[in-house]
Amino acid sequence: GDSVTQMEGPVTLSEEAFLTINCTYTATGYPSLFWYVQYPGEGLQLLLKATKADDKGSNKGFEATYRKETTSFHLEKGSVQVSDSAVYFCALTGSGNTGKLIFGQGTTLQVKP
Amino acid sequence: ETGVTQTPRHLVMGMTNKKSLKCEQHLGHNAMYWYKQSAKKPLELMFVYSLEERVENNSVPSRFSPECPNSSHLFLHLHTLQPEDSALYLCASSHDSLTDTQYFGPGTRLTVL
Repeated sequence: GDSVTQMEGPVTLSEEAFLTINCTYTATGYPSLFWYVQYPGEGLQLLLKATKADDKGSNKGFEATYRKETTSFHLEKGSVQVSDSAVYFCALTGSGNTGKLIFGQGTTLQVKP
Repeated sequence: ETGVTQTPRHLVMGMTNKKSLKCEQHLGHNAMYWYKQSAKKPLELMFVYSLEERVENNSVPSRFSPECPNSSHLFLHLHTLQPEDSALYLCASSHDSLTDTQYFGPGTRLTVL
């Protein structure tokens, strides 16, 4: 079945460091891919998305490119801030027209000043 | 109010209680979802409603009973829960139940004693 695998956390970085959070997927068909972010005590917020191969999603300095050949959707940011500390979830739309989102287990990012 | 709202934000209940979680979306969407987020587990889709009809029931125990009276409101009725049902319950909505982006509420933190 469809699945998403994220790198295990926590990821701890200093402010202004470069961030990569790896995400790979297994899916039938051509899913849409998403990154969601969850700040402490809050629900999930959509960070960015890509709907087809080679699309690049971007928002708030974060980027991810839909790589069909490597089945990956890695999240990157050139210079992280303390305010980026959160849990990041990679997700894809499951097969079938039911709107099912399949999530990875989440990666905790801690940014220290 | 804008976006997706959930009430209550926190709920503590005994195993013999009956309670309900409420979700309301102000986005004009036609599809609504319930997810369960437990510690150290990926988000689990519980139910999907499209145009007030249930289109997905992800093998959820009958002690969880959803209700969608109209496209703006979604309820999750709870009865005779178990301590392992303690989790963050997230509601989401999307324009339709195909591949559209889902927008999440802040969640209800449920503790079952």
